[in-house]
This record gives sequence, C-alpha cells and structure tokens, in this order.
Amino acid sequence: EAGVAQSPRYKIIEKRQSVAFWCNPISGHATLYWYQQILGQGPKLLIQFQNNGVVDDSQLPKDRFSAERLKGVDSTLKIQPAKLEDSAVYLCASSSHEGVIVTFGSGTRLTVV
Amino acid sequence: DQQVKQNSPSLSVQEGRISILNCDYTNSMFDYFLWYKKYPAEGPTFLISISSIKDKNEDGRFTVFLNKSAKHLSLHIVPSQPGDSAVYFCAASGDYGGSQGNLIFGKGTKLSVKP
Repeated sequence: EAGVAQSPRYKIIEKRQSVAFWCNPISGHATLYWYQQILGQGPKLLIQFQNNGVVDDSQLPKDRFSAERLKGVDSTLKIQPAKLEDSAVYLCASSSHEGVIVTFGSGTRLTVV
Repeated sequence: DQQVKQNSPSLSVQEGRISILNCDYTNSMFDYFLWYKKYPAEGPTFLISISSIKDKNEDGRFTVFLNKSAKHLSLHIVPSQPGDSAVYFCAASGDYGGSQGNLIFGKGTKLSVKP
C-alpha cells in the first residue's frame, strides 16, 4: 500500500512568515496525527484527528498553529506567524483506528531564520 | 518531565554481535510500548511492540523485553547487521489521560553497527 505522503519535503522561511504543510494519509486510515520533532528530541504529538474531528489538540500552540482535515482524508497544518523555535521536522502519521501502531510519513523539515 | 527516557544517546557494536537498547518510563499507566527505527531524512518506521500483559515479544532478529516492576524495557538485536544502523526510538501509550494514539517518545539512541 502507498505510504503517508507529505509535502513539501523542505521549507525555509523568515520568522513572522506563515507556512503550510500538507499530508495525505494511507487510504482508509481514519486516524491522522501531526507530530513535531525538534532536533535531538523524539516526536511530540501536536494534534490527532479521527475522521474529520479533533481527538486531541492539547499540545498544539493554538495561538499560532492550526490544522484541519476536511472531508476526513487530507490534512493541512499551518503556522502563522512562525518563530525561530518552530524549526523542526513536522511528521504526519496515520493509523487504521485509534490504535497505537502509527505509520509515519517522511516529514517536512522547516527552518525558520 | 520526561516520561520515556533513553539514557544512551549512542551505541556502537560490531557486526554479528548483540545490540541492546534500553528504555525507562515513569508513568505506570502506560500499557503498550513500541520501538521505531529512523533512517536519516525518513520518518520513523515501526519495528516491534509489546503489551504490558507480556514480558517478551520476538520478531526475527528483534526481541523486546518488558520489566514492569522496574518500568524498563529493552530491545535486543541479534545478530546485528550494518543495515541496522539507525536511530531507535522507544515510545509508550496508554490510558493516562491522553488519547490512545498519543505516543510518548524517548529522545532516541543512535545505533552504529560496524562491519
């Protein structure tokens, strides 16, 4: 089966600019996750969707981050305005149900300068 | 506070020998543990998991051991191969207030297997 698709692979922006990342999960996977991985750290969950509803967004900095999953398939994560500390790899993942084995995409590496 | 700890940032072993990667956790509500493997410029790939009702799970060259009383798990790779060189992440999940799919990751251990 095709994996989790993410774009772009790399993005460099200046602080205070906005940026958006796109994710297409594995076909049929109802649960979609966005994780943030800062250099030297493990991935940290930002938001979890079940179909098009939010299950958990407790660690999403809602003053600057937003995410949506229209129609319960693709998802977009937006940062506006970006800060230097947002530099990280943003990983999208999906699973077939609200289980614990998730499949990750290759990620988008964001550099904020 | 880190709930999942991998105290060894790196590990180097000789090809053919055993690699042992360790992980400690603090939250007794975790009931499922996973190991992910990550190559550079790729996302983490699921490797093996274990439920808290078991103390061992084996899949080919990979075995995970769980010691609930010590809140410790380890991943054994036997025999180690150069292609196993990657960063290994320990992750935990459970009914601790977060959603079931919310994986808590350690910082990772970089394994280097030398020919």
